[in-house]
Parts: sequence; structure tokens; C-alpha cells
Amino acid sequence: QKEVEQNSGPLSVPEGAIASLNCTYSDRGSQSFFWYRQYSGKSPELIMFIYSNGDKEDGRFTAQLNKASQYVSLLIRDSQPSDSATYLCAVREGGSYIPTFGRGTSLIVHP
Amino acid sequence: SAVISQKPSRDICQRGTSLTIQCQVDSQVTMMFWYRQQPGQSLTLIATANQGSEATYESGFVIDKFPISRPNLTFSTLTVSNMSPEDSSIYLCSVDGLAGNTGELFFGEGSRLTVL
Repeated sequence: QKEVEQNSGPLSVPEGAIASLNCTYSDRGSQSFFWYRQYSGKSPELIMFIYSNGDKEDGRFTAQLNKASQYVSLLIRDSQPSDSATYLCAVREGGSYIPTFGRGTSLIVHP
Repeated sequence: SAVISQKPSRDICQRGTSLTIQCQVDSQVTMMFWYRQQPGQSLTLIATANQGSEATYESGFVIDKFPISRPNLTFSTLTVSNMSPEDSSIYLCSVDGLAGNTGELFFGEGSRLTVL
């Protein structure tokens, strides 16, 4: 059974701070890693993906992958109240075309 | 990215009835998926909708309860049959990236069903 684990939160950070969201996964064969943002009452939206160990930066977002430790994280710099949402981690095994989703971490950025 | 339209966006249904959700994509896509998201839960894959053949169902989901059609590469329907309050959920249509098989999923707006 493939598992993707996330702390449900809520994670509360002040505006302007760095928000750090973490995800661990059980399948060592996992090859692709995704972060989705889901606003309340809305559908998930892909914001980042990463395939290789290390960091990948896109604007205020940085995804970090450590396959040896089986974790992937998402850092949000200069957090804004508009970043308040649930962040879903998804992991895809190399031989599968369907990712497995975690339950998501609720992020609250307060002014 | 693909533009995905789902309808209805929400509905309130009576126990024992069935409801069909439609998903229209603005371009041809190979992979279309149907997910369920129950309150406070993550996304659970119901099935992969295959064009020209029967859908592929995940463990715990059966065709009699969730029949799926995929008549072409831009359209699919999911029917929730003989509904019970446990079927109250958000149902999401999803497609893989336009290049196919990337794992980068794009979602419709969702259909929020409440079963009384």
C-alpha cells in the first residue's frame, strides 16, 4: 500500500514569514513529486513538480526532494494571506501514471 | 494547461436516485480520471476513463455503482447510482498534462453532491 503522509495542520505563519510544508512517502520507487494548492471550495491546482534530488525554485516557491530520506517539502517565502489554502502532496511511482495524494496540510497566513 | 468544465457544479439528491456528472475538456486528452474528495479528506481515485473501452476501476469502486462513459477524447461522464448519504462528496474530473502521462493533473471545478 503506497502511502503519502502529511501533517494536516493547520500550520499558522505570520505574513512575510517562510512557510515549510512537509511530505513523506513510503514507495522507494517513486519518481515524480507534485504539490497542489487547493483553496476552500475550489479544485486542486498544480503549483510545483520535482523529479530530481535537490531544490527547485519557482518564484516564492521552492520544492525540495530527498529520495534517500523519502521526503519532499515545499517552502513558501514571503508568505501572503492569499497563500492560505490546503497544500496537497502527490507522489507517482515510476511505472505508474497515477499519483497518490496525501491528505493535505492546511496553511493559514495571518496578517 | 487544459480547460475542464464540469456540470453540475452542485446538486442535492434524494436517497436511491442516480446522478450523472459531465466533464468536457477543451482539447483532446488521452488520460481522464474521476476522483472523489470527501470532507476533510484527500483525493481518492475512482477510475480511469478509457476512450473506446471500459473504465478501469480502483479497489473499492465498481462499475455498477459508478458507471463511466468516454465516447471521445474530450468528454466523459460519471454516474453515481442508487445514492446514499455516504456518497455525499465532491467529484472531480481530471486530465493529465496535454503531453500525456506526465503525472501533472489538471482538475475541473468539481461537482459537490449532497445526498439526503
